[in-house]
Amino acid sequence: GAVVSQHPSRVICKSGTSVKIECRSLDFQATTMFWYRQFPKQSLMLMATSNEGSKATYEQGVEKDKFLINHASLTLSTLTVTSAHPEDSSFYICSASKGGSATQYFGPGTRLLVL
Amino acid sequence: DQQVKQNSPSLSVQEGRISILNCDYTNSMFDYFLWYKKYPAEGPTFLISISSIKDKNEDGRFTVFLNKSAKHLSLHIVPSQPGDSAVYFCAASAYIGNEKLTFGTGTRLTIIP
Repeated sequence: GAVVSQHPSRVICKSGTSVKIECRSLDFQATTMFWYRQFPKQSLMLMATSNEGSKATYEQGVEKDKFLINHASLTLSTLTVTSAHPEDSSFYICSASKGGSATQYFGPGTRLLVL
Repeated sequence: DQQVKQNSPSLSVQEGRISILNCDYTNSMFDYFLWYKKYPAEGPTFLISISSIKDKNEDGRFTVFLNKSAKHLSLHIVPSQPGDSAVYFCAASAYIGNEKLTFGTGTRLTIIP
């Protein structure tokens, strides 16, 4: 199997606070993890790619100081949305891949609402 | 620049019939292709993949066809079932081992009982 979990599934926070989202690969070691954002009725937008033990690679237009990514182990990556604002409200999805494979396995997503 | 395109935003198919979802790409460096299924407020679920050395891959009710010369791939679902109703995304990778995927915009498939 290839199961990926995310926590929390939903979070509501006040503007200006920081929110941390965890992504875990439960039954395999993920050499690479990815963070996506999906706006309503749109495709998945890749935000960043993270490899265990190294700095994340951010896509163009994604603020690395705004979206902090840590990939501390082969089974855990975290995304922290710092000083969240209402425009950060979105559906955030992580995925993980096994070494040498382009197939990504996705988590269930986290719905973030910033008031 | 949309490198992976799904030109049909929606598709309705009678239960039991064949569903055909299409995907076109422009980047000739893509050599690995995947299909994902997604329900609302959930993460995508991997369905099937194909590498560029093949033109067909089959897994149960799902078959993916790849036409490299036309830069076109399709997903066939037969027979279609009500549980297949979801949004389907095709995705492509530039080479196996480069795990970054480029996604299409998705096609919403509705199976009519």
